[in-house]
Amino acid sequence: EADIYQTPRYLVIGTGKKITLECSQTMGHDKMYWYQQDPGMELHLIHYSYGVNSTEKGDLSSESTVSRIRTEHFPLTLESARPSHTSQYLCASSDPGRPQETQYFGPGTRLLVL
Amino acid sequence: RKEVEQDPGPFNVPEGATVAFNCTYSNSASQSFFWYRQDCRKEPKLLMSVYSSGNEDGRFTAQLNRASQYISLLIRDSKLSDSATYLCVVNRGRGAGNNRKLIWGLGTSLAVNP
Repeated sequence: EADIYQTPRYLVIGTGKKITLECSQTMGHDKMYWYQQDPGMELHLIHYSYGVNSTEKGDLSSESTVSRIRTEHFPLTLESARPSHTSQYLCASSDPGRPQETQYFGPGTRLLVL
Repeated sequence: RKEVEQDPGPFNVPEGATVAFNCTYSNSASQSFFWYRQDCRKEPKLLMSVYSSGNEDGRFTAQLNRASQYISLLIRDSKLSDSATYLCVVNRGRGAGNNRKLIWGLGTSLAVNP
């Protein structure tokens, strides 16, 4: 069972607010990822990090930003939330020691922007 | 054309049935293949990796056909608890950066009925 946590699990917020979605893992994994998934749709990678002070944008363009100051922590920030940001955000980490670098997911944050 | 394609289903089968899903991928340099399971409104969880020689885990069998660029998942003796969406996941190929990222299929929905 993976030890990766996300808070909040659910967030309803008004347009224009700044939000930070938290993700932490206690497995010591260097690689971490943020995905966005709309209902009935596939996962899209929006950010990834291969270690402290390393962040890259993923395949899907996103107005969010991320930081990686500590190995275990990979927060995602939206400076000004909009209704188009409504989605589920899933954080994952991977262990290069495992065959084929299996990714482990947190429970996700469901964001609703009014 | 999507990089990873799956029949979204839904597949409705009775308990005890055998069901098979296929998934095709477009990047011939892909090296790693997985099947993940995602329950409704939950995070994806690894079901099994797919190895070149094929592999089996209890009632689940995964096969890889590199020549035709598809992978398959066979579920024998279906249980009610197998009802979920099954995600085909493929990496982009060798090397660092973008080439190592995972590409997620839309998923195939399975409903096992009593």
